[in-house]
Amino acid sequence: AQSVTQPDIHITVSEGASLELRCNYSYGATPYLFWYVQSPGQGLQLLLKYFSGDTLVQGIKGFEAEFKRSQSSFNLRKPSVHWSDAAEYFCAVGRYSGGGADGLTFGKGTHLIIQP
Amino acid sequence: DARVTQTPRDKVTEMGQEVTMRCQPILGHNTVFWYRQTMMQGLELLAYFRNRAPLDDSGMPKDRFSAEMPDATLATLKIQPSEPRDSAVYFCASVRTGGAFETQYFGPGTRLLVL
Repeated sequence: AQSVTQPDIHITVSEGASLELRCNYSYGATPYLFWYVQSPGQGLQLLLKYFSGDTLVQGIKGFEAEFKRSQSSFNLRKPSVHWSDAAEYFCAVGRYSGGGADGLTFGKGTHLIIQP
Repeated sequence: DARVTQTPRDKVTEMGQEVTMRCQPILGHNTVFWYRQTMMQGLELLAYFRNRAPLDDSGMPKDRFSAEMPDATLATLKIQPSEPRDSAVYFCASVRTGGAFETQYFGPGTRLLVL
């Protein structure tokens, strides 16, 4: 069975500083990987996704993620954070059957705090 | 801007009562998921449908939970009887499964509190 680990429950970053959120996955086949963001009281919004091709993926809001198969990692990065980036971030691995998308398995999330 | 809608947004009920949550997927999306979010367990997949047929409900407590999709524009999740441990945020998501690597779009969630 697949699993996702986000080792950091909380991360505090100063506004303007760089950010890296860690994600490790366990999956028997080629993984479909996603990063979602959740603001308080809101649903989840997709930041970026990866299946194949270039291992550096660009997403919305200036985020990027790098897939490293040897490390089973899919870390999320941003060169300079803004106060509006404060939120909960979830890494997920997707399953796909012959019929299409199946369910996502999520990590426990990383709560990002931005210091002024 | 197409969105997944969920009703109600908030629900407070007493233990033993029936709870029904509704989801309207994005028009044209043929796969609908139900997830539950709690502090302890995080986000968990409860059940999902493709072309209105249930595919997997192994994440759902069978004795009290039921999920249906009476038509392509409505999915429901029912809890009967509800218990305090069911308190959580329930999310619906939909995807247009025309191929691999499709994005799941999430609704705003139903926040359930069972007293």
